This record gives sequence, C-alpha cells and structure tokens, in this order.
Amino acid sequence: DARVTQTPRHKVTEMGQEVTMRCQPILGHNTVFWYRQTMMQGLELLAYFRNRAPLDDSGMPKDRFSAEMPDATLATLKIQPSEPRDSAVYFCASGLSRDRVRGYGYTFGSGTRLTVV
Amino acid sequence: AQTVTQSQPEMSVQEAETVTLSCTYDTSESDYYLFWYKQPPSRQMILVIRQEAYKQQNATENRFSVNFQKAAKSFSLKISDSQLGDAAMYFCALGRGGSEKLVFGKGTKLTVNP
Repeated sequence: DARVTQTPRHKVTEMGQEVTMRCQPILGHNTVFWYRQTMMQGLELLAYFRNRAPLDDSGMPKDRFSAEMPDATLATLKIQPSEPRDSAVYFCASGLSRDRVRGYGYTFGSGTRLTVV
Repeated sequence: AQTVTQSQPEMSVQEAETVTLSCTYDTSESDYYLFWYKQPPSRQMILVIRQEAYKQQNATENRFSVNFQKAAKSFSLKISDSQLGDAAMYFCALGRGGSEKLVFGKGTKLTVNP
C-alpha cells in the first residue's frame, strides 16, 4: 500500500531551537496538508498545498511557523523558535484534488510527536 | 463556517456486539463529503468510511456502516460484530468537495470489552 512518510517520528527539543518536520506524500497526490493534534484543540489544519502552491496557511502562527514544498516529493514544516506550547503531534496527509478525480479522503502519515522542553 | 460535533467522548461495547457512534455537522455547502477516521494507540489516522453528500445510499465497508441523515445533518457510524482491534479514537470529519481541507470532531474513544 502507498504510504505518506513522515520524519522524524519523535522529536524532543529545547525551547528556542529550530524544528523541521518532513513529509513525503504519496506519489501522484497533488494536495498536501499539515495538521496539528493536541488534547485541548483536537485536530487543527495548519496549512495545505495544491500542486506545491500554498492555498491556505491561516491556521499557522506566522511569526514562528513556515511550510514549504520544495518539490512534489517533499513537504516541510518548520518552527523557529520553538516553544513548549508547540508540543503536539503533527500530521501530514496527502490526497487528490477534485480537479482530477472525486477525492476519497486523505491518507495520513504516522505523525511526528514533538516535545518542546 | 463548518463544524463537526461528536457528543460522546467515550463509548464501550462488548466484543461481538454492535455499537453506534454519533456525529452531527453543520455546513452551508451543498457539495461535501463526510468521513470517519480511526486512530488506534499507534496514532496512525486510518480512513474507515466515507459518504458523499449527493448520494442517498448509506456507505458500508464490511462491518462498518453509516446512517447518513442529510436533513438532520447527522452522520453516525455503526460497527457490527465489534472486535478487540476496533478499540481506538474515532473521528468524524467534514470536507468540502472531496480532497479539500477537513474539519474534525473532537473524537470518541471506543473501548471494546472481551
């Protein structure tokens, strides 16, 4: 089965450090999403891309978070500087937009558990 | 704005029995999709079932089926013949027109008792 690959699986870092999370979407998927999951807020959309172009990053704290897709096989989410409140599980998901075929739901990666101490 | 509400934070079921998880939603869109995702302790988000709003027929996937009541904006998940491996968090999600951004409910934790 095709998979969305996220690295690292776990990350512990000190406050103030830069954190980079990576995602390899499923080959052929043209839409990539970043979600954050916390106990308090649940699953929140941070940003999403279609054909590598950012479509919506309104859920992201702009001063410290950035998301990019350098190429079709890699999406990155960076936090600089990191803060303890950023501790969460960060999910990447990929899918096909309705421009090509009726979407059937995203495929999620296994997530990166980030702990900022 | 789109919202998804799961009113049952926790549910439990005996192995081999049937359980129904509730979900209500609100949207002004006419073209939308509804999903149920399962998140076991491994934290992998797994798509269980999806329903297109334009389809009146309820979706089924093996032991999983939905009761889609469009007018009532209700989308419940029924799990038949529950198995120990069904124990997980279940999230209801609403999406606009296919692979657009999803809005998730807060989740229901399902426990399956042997």
